[in-house]
Amino acid sequence: DTAVSQTPKYLVTQMGNDKSIKCEQNLGHDTMYWYKQDSKKFLKIMFSYNNKELIINETVPNRFSPKSPDKAHLNLHINSLELGDSAVYFCASSLGQLGAYGYTFGSGTRLTVV
Amino acid sequence: AQTVTQSQPEMSVQEAETVTLSCTYDTSESNYYLFWYKQPPSRQMILVIRQEAYKQQNATENRFSVNFQKAAKSFSLKISDSQLGDTAMYFCAFMNRIQGAQKLVFGQGTRLTINP
Repeated sequence: DTAVSQTPKYLVTQMGNDKSIKCEQNLGHDTMYWYKQDSKKFLKIMFSYNNKELIINETVPNRFSPKSPDKAHLNLHINSLELGDSAVYFCASSLGQLGAYGYTFGSGTRLTVV
Repeated sequence: AQTVTQSQPEMSVQEAETVTLSCTYDTSESNYYLFWYKQPPSRQMILVIRQEAYKQQNATENRFSVNFQKAAKSFSLKISDSQLGDTAMYFCAFMNRIQGAQKLVFGQGTRLTINP
């Protein structure tokens, strides 16, 4: 009965590869997010979708492309992986764009690019 | 621009002591939401407590309480009777409106260690 689930939890890949991280939420929320946590633990938003529509796109390289097939899923595809992409990626969801009750986070995906 | 500041990178206290983590933020809005999240070594982000800016009463959740000073734009977290399981990174977060879209902006985090 996991609320926000991400797969995989760990991902080790070589530079130049393409990889995807999947996220699903069963909370009935209508807004989903991707956050990146760097090596210094700083969390920064990357994307936000509301009812499958992109509403926030921070200054993220074009190699990152989110896809939301329905409001319960938000996947992240990364092309041509670089060393600097190594980080923990968190998916999150909220009810409404206001997020008045905060976001519910997945357990994160640790991406290591070698 | 950074809008949430946590000035204590690390803190350490003995079990059962009380500890206060500080947070300041910057906004021109009058109505907003503030949060504290906990990230234990398991990496999971856990919501600890939330505060609505229009409510003057400080939020409380069991051993966790906040001191919300709206005029000073300060939002500190107090943990009473600290337990070993409270050891974690703690992040202050502010729900910020940028170009019409709301997003949760985090501070740099405070690493809290509870010693036996």
